[in-house]
Amino acid sequence: EAQVTQNPRYLITVTGKKLTVTCSQNMNHEYMSWYRQDPGLGLRQIYYSMNVEVTDKGDVPEGYKVSRKEKRNFPLILESPSPNQTSLYFCASSLQGPDNEQFFGPGTRLTVL
Amino acid sequence: GQQVMQIPQYQHVQEGEDFTTYCNSSTTLSNIQWYKQRPGGHPVFLIQLVKSGEVKKQKRLTFQFGEAKKNSSLHITATQTTDVGTYFCAGSDYGQNFVFGPGTRLSVLP
Repeated sequence: EAQVTQNPRYLITVTGKKLTVTCSQNMNHEYMSWYRQDPGLGLRQIYYSMNVEVTDKGDVPEGYKVSRKEKRNFPLILESPSPNQTSLYFCASSLQGPDNEQFFGPGTRLTVL
Repeated sequence: GQQVMQIPQYQHVQEGEDFTTYCNSSTTLSNIQWYKQRPGGHPVFLIQLVKSGEVKKQKRLTFQFGEAKKNSSLHITATQTTDVGTYFCAGSDYGQNFVFGPGTRLSVLP
């Protein structure tokens, strides 16, 4: 089944404790992206990747890192999480870029205490 | 930077009534996409519009892309309880950055 998977689905952590949210897609998509969703603000793009080893900042990249060492995986890294990073995070992928239909993962709900 | 706005923020309708949400971008878009997110779910792609003035229909849903490619609308005829969710428009301004609107949350009362 074609899908985007994220892990973990739920995470409660404390300020400053490094964490990684994994994202994987099995559709051989070139483009992958991370979004955060907050009430009233919709989905805001954190980072995106047009291809392997190519990543770029979205609208809200501060406090996040990403890597794209292989096509299928696009992990999101929070080196030192803070409470303002408490949010719902979605990974998405598309065939070639943002102008193609994006397929979203199920989401990761992160709480930073 | 590019901004995308949507109105209304919330809409409550009685089942069977029509519903429309409007999307406006601060810059010209290469295309516009619409997504639906059910409560507790993830966004799901509905449609993409590319041409100026384009109109597309999916059963009871009608999508329009403005002549200037800066605005769009989604109209649902005779809403059903299955239409409940948040509807997002999204697009890029010919760059690689992709921006979502804040969404319109639709409630349908049976």
